[in-house]
Amino acid sequence: DAKTTQPTSMDCAEGRAANLPCNHSTISGNEYVYWYRQIHSQGPQYIIHGLKNNETNEMASLIITEDRKSSTLILPHATLRDTAVYYCIVRVGGLRDDKIIFGKGTRLHILP
Amino acid sequence: DTAVSQTPKYLVTQMGNDKSIKCEQNLGHDTMYWYKQDSKKFLKIMFSYNNKELIINETVPNRFSPKSPDKAHLNLHINSLELGDSAVYFCASSQVPFGGGATDTQYFGPGTRLTVL
Repeated sequence: DAKTTQPTSMDCAEGRAANLPCNHSTISGNEYVYWYRQIHSQGPQYIIHGLKNNETNEMASLIITEDRKSSTLILPHATLRDTAVYYCIVRVGGLRDDKIIFGKGTRLHILP
Repeated sequence: DTAVSQTPKYLVTQMGNDKSIKCEQNLGHDTMYWYKQDSKKFLKIMFSYNNKELIINETVPNRFSPKSPDKAHLNLHINSLELGDSAVYFCASSQVPFGGGATDTQYFGPGTRLTVL
């Protein structure tokens, strides 16, 4: 079962920052927070991951609270192409039987 | 260049038939996966292979048989197809370093939409 809780859907105006929250209150010390997204009719796409420090890459920023019980994915300037389902996942990573467990995700609608 | 590719993209077949879906990755990864995404859009892992060895086998009917001829390929063969097998099947790959503690990323293929009539 997924260990995360996300809102079912969110809207964001094009050009604005999209902030997607995720609760992972039972996260353990060695679990990373990963974000993937799935654009309609495509395979899931990796976005970003982090352990406890905030992370930024060319796609997004990840803000993790100090207690690590929640995080926020930030798309700084959302475009229509960012319309997708966003999955927040916690996993240890690097283990032989590692697997991603996808929850329901957040359906993000970017409004023109 | 396509990192993870699947063929075919669409597959329409009759109940009871046997079909295969092929997956190839050119990322040099050691681990490959098969996921099933049903009509409700839930994405669930089915199998995982590491260096051609099966390491994850979720509760999947034994009509589904993965085969990994080499590290770059993981094919999915399905016998006696049923209506409930209709779904989108995604292949993925990752580099899994042993020893734990390291992070990893899975790269997904474009999916194969299977329709069983």
